Amino acid sequence: GENVEQHPSTLSVQEGDSAVIKCTYSDSASNYFPWYKQELGKRPQLIIDIRSNVGEKKDQRIAVTLNKTAKHFSLHITETQPEDSAVYFCAASRRNTDKLIFGTGTRLQVFP
Amino acid sequence: DTAVSQTPKYLVTQMGNDKSIKCEQNLGHDTMYWYKQDSKKFLKIMFSYNNKELIINETVPNRFSPKSPDKAHLNLHINSLELGDSAVYFCASSQVLSTGKAYEQYFGPGTRLTVT
Repeated sequence: GENVEQHPSTLSVQEGDSAVIKCTYSDSASNYFPWYKQELGKRPQLIIDIRSNVGEKKDQRIAVTLNKTAKHFSLHITETQPEDSAVYFCAASRRNTDKLIFGTGTRLQVFP
Repeated sequence: DTAVSQTPKYLVTQMGNDKSIKCEQNLGHDTMYWYKQDSKKFLKIMFSYNNKELIINETVPNRFSPKSPDKAHLNLHINSLELGDSAVYFCASSQVLSTGKAYEQYFGPGTRLTVT
């Protein structure tokens, strides 16, 4: 069935370091991969997304890479700042559907 | 000018009661969703409606009944509340093309339900 695994579950980095979060999906028909950020007590908000016809996408300090063959996609945050501290969720949906399957989340802590 | 709003923000009730959560979006989207986020932060879809029609209905107990009076509103009614229903419930909306191509889902602020 549909499943998205996400690692690590927690990640602590020093301010200015990079952070990488990895996800693996099971459904080979998946073609849309968004990443959501959820600050404590707040709603999830989209930070970046990628479709299966693209291998990499960048937006300032964040980037996402997709390896369709291995069914892996990753979020990269460079020059981390304390305000990057939050729970990050990856998700996947298959072609012709808007149903998002979320990963289990990664709690990122950035220490000043 | 809030895009997706939910009421109430907090809901504390006793086991066995019936309660409703309301959601409204002013983005003009045609699809709305209910998600449940448990204490471990797992985010799981429960239902989705497209233009008032039920599209996704995950394996949710039939004590949960969504209702969409129009495409800007999606309410969630829960009968005979149980301790395990305690969670944060998020409403979301998005614009889905006729091809089913997915776009960003905008989440509401969440409703924290506590069943005692």
